[in-house]
Amino acid sequence: QKEVEQNSGPLSVPEGAIASLNCTYSDRGSQSFFWYRQYSGKSPELIMFIYSNGDKEDGRFTAQLNKASQYVSLLIRDSQPSDSATYLCAVNSANFGNEKLTFGTGTRLTIIP
Amino acid sequence: GAVVSQHPSRVICKSGTSVKIECRSLDFQATTMFWYRQFPKQSLMLMATSNEGSKATYEQGVEKDKFLINHASLTLSTLTVTSAHPEDSSFYICSATSGDYTDTQYFGPGTRLTVL
Repeated sequence: QKEVEQNSGPLSVPEGAIASLNCTYSDRGSQSFFWYRQYSGKSPELIMFIYSNGDKEDGRFTAQLNKASQYVSLLIRDSQPSDSATYLCAVNSANFGNEKLTFGTGTRLTIIP
Repeated sequence: GAVVSQHPSRVICKSGTSVKIECRSLDFQATTMFWYRQFPKQSLMLMATSNEGSKATYEQGVEKDKFLINHASLTLSTLTVTSAHPEDSSFYICSATSGDYTDTQYFGPGTRLTVL
């Protein structure tokens, strides 16, 4: 059973601080990793993907991947109230071309003004 | 780029009727489309995977005769909920991938189905 685990939260972070979201996965063969943001009542929107060990930065967002520890995280710098949402971690296992994603249950993030 | 649309965004129907939901990739050709269902305060549940021109692959526990999927072209997939019942009321979301090396899924805005 391939699993993706996230702390469900809620995670409360003061405005302007760094929000740190974590995700672990069970399948060592996992190849690519995605972070999606989902506002209440809306569909998920892609924030970023990562498939190499290390950090990947895009604006205020940084994804970190450690395949040895089977761990992927998302850092949000200078958190804004508009960042309040549920963040979904998703993992694509096995080989590229196996396109099905396994989603975590999501972490609910609240940015406190 | 990578825009996926869904229609309708919201639908209310009577129990026993059928509802069709369309999913379109607007600016890319989608080699694969996915259909998800999400109940309130729960995570996404994958229902089925569809590839253009072939039969959809359904997840365990999803009734293929109840949830009919047609992937007629590289830009259009449809989900038909047949003989809908109140327990089918949910948020249905499609996603599409272009089949590039990232396998990134881009989600449509979702369709909220209410069955009376």
